[in-house]
Amino acid sequence: SQKIEQNSEALNIQEGKTATLTCNYTNYSPAYLQWYRQDPGRGPVFLLLIRENEKEKRKERLKVTFDTTLKQSLFHITASQPADSATYLCALDPVSSASKIIFGSGTRLSIRP
Amino acid sequence: GAVVSQHPSRVICKSGTSVKIECRSLDFQATTMFWYRQFPKQSLMLMATSNEGSKATYEQGVEKDKFLINHASLTLSTLTVTSAHPEDSSFYICSAHPSGGATDTQYFGPGTRLTVL
Repeated sequence: SQKIEQNSEALNIQEGKTATLTCNYTNYSPAYLQWYRQDPGRGPVFLLLIRENEKEKRKERLKVTFDTTLKQSLFHITASQPADSATYLCALDPVSSASKIIFGSGTRLSIRP
Repeated sequence: GAVVSQHPSRVICKSGTSVKIECRSLDFQATTMFWYRQFPKQSLMLMATSNEGSKATYEQGVEKDKFLINHASLTLSTLTVTSAHPEDSSFYICSAHPSGGATDTQYFGPGTRLTVL
């Protein structure tokens, strides 16, 4: 069956450390994978997109990797801050290069001061 | 940047009534919009793809007669929850894909909280 799993439902780390979130997928061949941030009671906000032919992408304190062999993406937040506390969602296109996306289960990240 | 709005942001209704939720792309046209539902502490579940000028495409397990979708213009899609029941209480979120835009681009609305009493 097809699955998108984020293996930590919740992650609690100390301010200043690097947070690493994992997204694994099964029986998909996405052309790209996206990461979103969602705050309580709000819609998701796009953060980064990485394509199947890219291994790594960075944006400020964010870094995403994409391993199509392992069928896994890692999302890193360096020098984490309490304001980074939110739920982070990965998403992919279930039909290659289509505009439709589906989401993973999400990871609730808490950064403690 | 591209903005998507939803109205209302919050609605409470009695069981058995119908509720309409609007999704608007404010500064771009969207041939395709998507509707998601999110239960507490769960992820977004895609319900349907709304196509301007044609019938919506529903995901498996989503009742098309229960969740009516109308995409009558390039900037507006509506989701009507018919004969709502308490189990329909959820957070409904739409997204819009800009017409002619890259397939990997879509913008999300702020969501609508539906509570059915």
